Amino acid sequence: ILNVEQSPQSLHVQEGDSTNFTCSFPSSNFYALHWYRWETAKSPEALFVMTLNGDEKKKGRISATLNTKEGYSYLYIKGSQPEDSATYLCAPQGGSEKLVFGKGTKLTVNP
Amino acid sequence: EAEVAQSPRYKITEKSQAVAFWCDPISGHATLYWYRQILGQGPELLVQFQDESVVDDSQLPKDRFSAERLKGVDSTLKIQPAELGDSAMYLCASSSPGTSGSPGETQYFGPGTRLLVL
Repeated sequence: ILNVEQSPQSLHVQEGDSTNFTCSFPSSNFYALHWYRWETAKSPEALFVMTLNGDEKKKGRISATLNTKEGYSYLYIKGSQPEDSATYLCAPQGGSEKLVFGKGTKLTVNP
Repeated sequence: EAEVAQSPRYKITEKSQAVAFWCDPISGHATLYWYRQILGQGPELLVQFQDESVVDDSQLPKDRFSAERLKGVDSTLKIQPAELGDSAMYLCASSSPGTSGSPGETQYFGPGTRLLVL
């Protein structure tokens, strides 16, 4: 899988705002889609692994959806908090089994 | 909670010097990965091990980079000689027992080694 696009590149929101990001990838030869959260000076943290078209996953205030036919995934954060500030990476996984990471969306939540 | 350990966390070196990074995966994880993240880019896989065997090193610049996992546990990534363009974050990850990093398996990352080559 090549050409993974994440948008926006960066985002500044106020505490309490809800926000969402997009991950776009080629829909052919798809197997799984991984989302990670990477806070500064910490390890990237796995959020979700999604495999089925129409999948929806939720972890606290964070949720994600997957559309494998059109090649995109959305990540939603409800009621953003300053501790949500991080870079959010998506990584589709195809037949090669290799994760191909996007450049990430950097979220800053202002108190 | 088990974690992937990496050392050092930061390394500054001069070009043409040798550098080495160490990774200790989560106990029992058979698959180990080394990634490189250049500023502004996403992490890119350099090498993948299944136990002590290399499964994928297609993106490893083999003229200067080497990786080993002799006993199938911890791993070392070496660069010799380092070049200015090697300045990056080097991440190690591991995944749970399975066959050669099966698709859909979660990869657990360490905190990385940030390398600066002067």
